[in-house]
Amino acid sequence: QVQLQESGPRLVKPSETLSLNCIVSGSSISDTYYWGWIRQPPGEGLEWIGTIYHLGYTYYNPSLKSRVAISVDTSKNQFSLRLTSVTAADTAVYYCARGDRGSGSPYNWFDPWGQGTLLTVSS
Amino acid sequence: QSALTQPASVSGSPGQSITISCTGTSSDVGDYNFVSWYQQHPGKAPKLMIYDVTNRPSGVSNRFSGSKSGNTASLTISGLQAEDEADYYCSSSTSSNTLIFGGGTKLTVL
Repeated sequence: QVQLQESGPRLVKPSETLSLNCIVSGSSISDTYYWGWIRQPPGEGLEWIGTIYHLGYTYYNPSLKSRVAISVDTSKNQFSLRLTSVTAADTAVYYCARGDRGSGSPYNWFDPWGQGTLLTVSS
Repeated sequence: QSALTQPASVSGSPGQSITISCTGTSSDVGDYNFVSWYQQHPGKAPKLMIYDVTNRPSGVSNRFSGSKSGNTASLTISGLQAEDEADYYCSSSTSSNTLIFGGGTKLTVL
């Protein structure tokens, strides 16, 4: 049974860099699946941030592309999110999730999801 | 890329059927079969209910079904139960190589 767990700081100052990790258990991150990050501002809807394949291919939301980087560490069976120059608008619950099979699309379904972590941007 | 359009809320009584629509354009819902539906209970992570327009993941009740016509996808829940009360989100691939979500629909079981 695949499980994902987000980890990282809960509070980041404006203009700083957000860094989150997603630890995968019950599956190898080198399996033929995509892995992704999705966020949800408090009381609002879902926003796709980006997706990575274990070979390092990345796919980003154009609205965030200039500030986001997703990487994978196969030795730790985890993938990570970096978002630079954060503002209050980046305050959200950040979810990591397993995506479609590698034979599918990086712009498709996610299942399962981690429990999510609330990240607040504030001075 | 604009978000997909969903009704803000729908409601139904136990045992009834309801349908939630998800309207996009010919550049997303209308052009791809990569449409998914998620259920989200308060304070919980989203759960995949339908993928690739009509497919149900293992473990999801067959009371949940998906369909698509033109630029509009739909999620139908039959035999409504109290536990179905939640927020529902659709998503779709787009021709701009992105993934977009709908604004979400709050389902109330009366």
